[in-house]
Amino acid sequence: GEDVEQSLFLSVREGDSSVINCTYTDSSSTYLYWYKQEPGAGLQLLTYIFSNMDMKQDQRLTVLLNKKDKHLSLRIADTQTGDSAIYFCAESITGRRALTFGSGTRLQVQP
Amino acid sequence: NAGVTQTPKFQVLKTGQSMTLQCAQDMNHNSMYWYRQDPGMGLRLIYYSASEGTTDKGEVPNGYNVSRLNKREFSLRLESAAPSQTSVYFCASRSPYEQYFGPGTRLTVT
Repeated sequence: GEDVEQSLFLSVREGDSSVINCTYTDSSSTYLYWYKQEPGAGLQLLTYIFSNMDMKQDQRLTVLLNKKDKHLSLRIADTQTGDSAIYFCAESITGRRALTFGSGTRLQVQP
Repeated sequence: NAGVTQTPKFQVLKTGQSMTLQCAQDMNHNSMYWYRQDPGMGLRLIYYSASEGTTDKGEVPNGYNVSRLNKREFSLRLESAAPSQTSVYFCASRSPYEQYFGPGTRLTVT
């Protein structure tokens, strides 16, 4: 999606933290989402944040939202090999019925 | 709850053949969607349905038709398949805050 951009690839070592970044362009975003896709599977919702929040934490996941810079990040603490997947950022925009997705970031976790 | 289910999981078609991809959800959601996923391009919206009896075009509707049979089911039809339609197809349904995806159909058109 042209409105949402992500870097293509991230490689980390097991046990380190991973930070996956996303930028979006539409200031009327209401919710922003992170989805995980494992090989051969569908998209699994990991977490989402309302646009009037700065941060949301859920176990090993921390989402940070900088609305001024239109920047969203997903931090995964203590990254495990099972976290290897493609991570998609998506935004819900007022007036649009469907989510707008980024192209996905492939996270590779090395033992 | 099964969530969002799709059939078939895999399909190979010859150019010009037709087929229908089936999708059903048991979460009583009004909104349902069809996306295609191609390498490096993320998910692109083909069609969506805001409620039973209504459908609207998304970003890439050409070559596809849809039918919202009832609140549970939303099918995607390829009338005359082309190699450019080789892709992974995902159906989704949406609550006010969350969108749920099916496992996908991997379609190859030769």
